[in-house]
Amino acid sequence: EPEVTQTPSHQVTQMGQEVILRCVPISNHLYFYWYRQILGQKVEFLVSFYNNEISEKSEIFDDQFSVERPDGSNFTLKIRSTKLEDSAMYFCASSGRDRGPEETQYFGPGTRLLVL
Amino acid sequence: AQKITQTQPGMFVQEKEAVTLDCTYDTSDQSYGLFWYKQPSSGEMIFLIYQGSYDEQNATEGRYSLNFQKARKSANLVISASQLGDSAMYFCAMRESYSASKIIFGSGTRLSIRP
Repeated sequence: EPEVTQTPSHQVTQMGQEVILRCVPISNHLYFYWYRQILGQKVEFLVSFYNNEISEKSEIFDDQFSVERPDGSNFTLKIRSTKLEDSAMYFCASSGRDRGPEETQYFGPGTRLLVL
Repeated sequence: AQKITQTQPGMFVQEKEAVTLDCTYDTSDQSYGLFWYKQPSSGEMIFLIYQGSYDEQNATEGRYSLNFQKARKSANLVISASQLGDSAMYFCAMRESYSASKIIFGSGTRLSIRP
């Protein structure tokens, strides 16, 4: 069964450093998402991406965040200058189509980011 | 106001019993989707079941069923014949309308199955 994959599974970085989280969505999916989950809290939407541009983003997704689909398979989230409060589990998700609320988003296993 | 409310932070259930996890939601949209995800201790998010707002029948997927009561805006997850592997965090989530792409999650219910 096709699945979303994410690398790395864990990342430790120093405050102020740049990190890039990588995702390979399900191959025939067209819509891609990033969510984050701070430890012990609910999952929060960051951004959605379609046709090489951002279609929706949350207040959390400020200028220090960016997303990119550098090739036909990868989808990346870059955090330019990490802060302590960026420590969280970051989930990538993908869906086949965005037309309608019924389209299920399938999540990857997550990248646990720790900022020291 | 909370869009998704899960009032049970934790539940303990005996193995093989059925369990109902509560979820209420708040939306003014007519067309929306409701989801349940499972998050085991390993951290991944596993899709379990989906219910559309226009679906007349309750969704079922194996041992999972969704008790959808539209007028009450509730979408409870029912797990029949619980197993030890069902111990996990369970999140109710909603996707509103055709214009929104994000899924809004509840705070979750931690389910523990006793042998």
